[in-house]
Amino acid sequence: EAQVTQNPRYLITVTGKKLTVTCSQNMNHEYMSWYRQDPGLGLRQIYYSMNVEVTDKGDVPEGYKVSRKEKRNFPLILESPSPNQTSLYFCASSTDRFRETQYFGPGTRLLVL
Amino acid sequence: QKEVEQDPGPLSVPEGAIVSLNCTYSNSAFQYFMWYRQYSRKGPELLMYTYSSGNKEDGRFTAQVDKSSKYISLFIRDSQPSDSATYLCAMSVNDYKLSFGAGTTVTVRA
Repeated sequence: EAQVTQNPRYLITVTGKKLTVTCSQNMNHEYMSWYRQDPGLGLRQIYYSMNVEVTDKGDVPEGYKVSRKEKRNFPLILESPSPNQTSLYFCASSTDRFRETQYFGPGTRLLVL
Repeated sequence: QKEVEQDPGPLSVPEGAIVSLNCTYSNSAFQYFMWYRQYSRKGPELLMYTYSSGNKEDGRFTAQVDKSSKYISLFIRDSQPSDSATYLCAMSVNDYKLSFGAGTTVTVRA
């Protein structure tokens, strides 16, 4: 089954404790992206990747890191989480026609205390 | 001012009504326009995609783009309770970086 998986789905952590949210896709997609969703603000793009070892900032990259060492994986790293990073996070992947075929993962709900 | 403005609603209509959703934007460089549907506790799914100005129809859904007015619309004809969801508009300049509206929550009453 074609899918985008994220882990963990739910996470409660404390300020400053480094964490990684994994994202994996099995569709051989070149493009992957991370978003956060907050009430009243909609989806905001954090980082995106056009291919292995090629990443770029979205609208809200501060406090986040990403890496794309393999085509299927695109982890999101929070080196020192803060309460304002409490949010719902989505990973997405696409074929070469990024705008048309973007598939989203199920989401990771993060609470930073 | 946000780059993409979307009325959050909520919008409640009776079954069979036409649902009209819209977004305005400020960046004239946007050339790719999308509508996503998001059910509760799920990730968004792409509904419609339009390049530049014009209309596009897919079953009960029609997307319109008016670049001169910086205004896009989504119409849902013969709405069904299964159409109850949050609808998000999204736009892109370069095919990689997407800007989303805040989403409009729609409820279709049976």
